[in-house]
Amino acid sequence: GENVEQHPSTLSVQEGDSAVIKCTYSDSASNYFPWYKQELGKRPQLIIDIRSNVGEKKDQRIAVTLNKTAKHFSLHITETQPEDSAVYFCAASIYNNDMRFGAGTRLTVKP
Amino acid sequence: NAGVTQTPKFRILKIGQSMTLQCTQDMNHNYMYWYRQDPGMGLKLIYYSVGAGITDKGEVPNGYNVSRSTTEDFPLRLELAAPSQTSVYFCASGQETQYFGPGTRLLVL
Repeated sequence: GENVEQHPSTLSVQEGDSAVIKCTYSDSASNYFPWYKQELGKRPQLIIDIRSNVGEKKDQRIAVTLNKTAKHFSLHITETQPEDSAVYFCAASIYNNDMRFGAGTRLTVKP
Repeated sequence: NAGVTQTPKFRILKIGQSMTLQCTQDMNHNYMYWYRQDPGMGLKLIYYSVGAGITDKGEVPNGYNVSRSTTEDFPLRLELAAPSQTSVYFCASGQETQYFGPGTRLLVL
């Protein structure tokens, strides 16, 4: 089955800096790659996603890039704010079935 | 819309007991999912359903059962609870975007 690895496990940045989280996947058939944000004690919430026919997608301060050849995708957050502090999860699946999640990255944005 | 709701919020079970975690969605989604999240870890898919009457195993199905008799409901059954099933359980629905419920925290002692 699909295996998703996520790095780093923790990331600390100063407010205003950029943050980058990277994930790799193993199944070349995977075609859907969402990113979720989970605040402490809360449910995961989708922040951005990308499909395999697209190389990059942007939504305000958040962007995701996908390299199908290398089987990796990354989350970029620019101009970080304290409210960006949370755990971020990447995931991969084939048509949203049997989704596999990375282990998560705890992002801390210091004011 | 209430979205995805789960009951109970928290439960303590003794080893060997059984229980059903309830999940209901009012968004008319065909796709529904059950995940477990162990402390400090990512989510692992237990079971999923692509429509009423259709269910399939995910990554960690052992010790669990599901049914999907209606579009709205997707209960998760734990038989013979074990300490390894201590976790937070999230139900989700949706295909393009998965919407998660608030979770059920389960402690097996």
